Amino acid sequence: NAGVTQTPKFRILKIGQSMTLQCTQDMNHNYMYWYRQDPGMGLKLIYYSVGAGITDKGEVPNGYNVSRSTTEDFPLRLELAAPSQTSVYFCASSYSEGQPQHFGDGTRLSIL
Amino acid sequence: GESVGLHLPTLSVQEGDNSIINCAYSNSASDYFIWYKQESGKGPQFIIDIRSNMDKRQGQRVTVLLNKTVKHLSLQIAATQPGDSAVYFCAENSASGGSYIPTFGRGTSLIVHP
Repeated sequence: NAGVTQTPKFRILKIGQSMTLQCTQDMNHNYMYWYRQDPGMGLKLIYYSVGAGITDKGEVPNGYNVSRSTTEDFPLRLELAAPSQTSVYFCASSYSEGQPQHFGDGTRLSIL
Repeated sequence: GESVGLHLPTLSVQEGDNSIINCAYSNSASDYFIWYKQESGKGPQFIIDIRSNMDKRQGQRVTVLLNKTVKHLSLQIAATQPGDSAVYFCAENSASGGSYIPTFGRGTSLIVHP
């Protein structure tokens, strides 16, 4: 099992560019999550999904979009990158609610 | 000039000492709590969890204590080792709009000196 795999590991974007952060898991987990982590801060939930075809906003969804067409994949889309979106992005999954989450190793994104 | 970043609470201990990391949670409706360990450059890793019908749970070298009266959670690490150096997060889970959503604390940086 690879667990949760995130790509790319690092990326630098210019203001206004768009990109998709990829996340895939091979544990057949129903729940998937996207978080951002700013320096010295905890994880803030951007979006989550409780199963294929279902997505919901988290605490900080503005400027992001997600889709969940399969159980395995949960990509995060930035349409118009802004400096405030410079952060480390973590994807996580869990079998169900009320269960520990498994995290990927993150995507470090800088927007200049 | 130099910018000042937001510093995490830090606990500095000697190898072999016991460590206690504390977490105050905010939602009295939270009923499931998890401790995660995050090493530099990695994602958080599950350490131990506890549900609100318990006040103590033990794992290998780790113990979590839950005090619901004062909304406080602690992680005790016995015989701390240099490999325990990391940032430790607590997460509380509560129902929100029909879904069970985790909320993470800021974290505590544990530094273990050999």
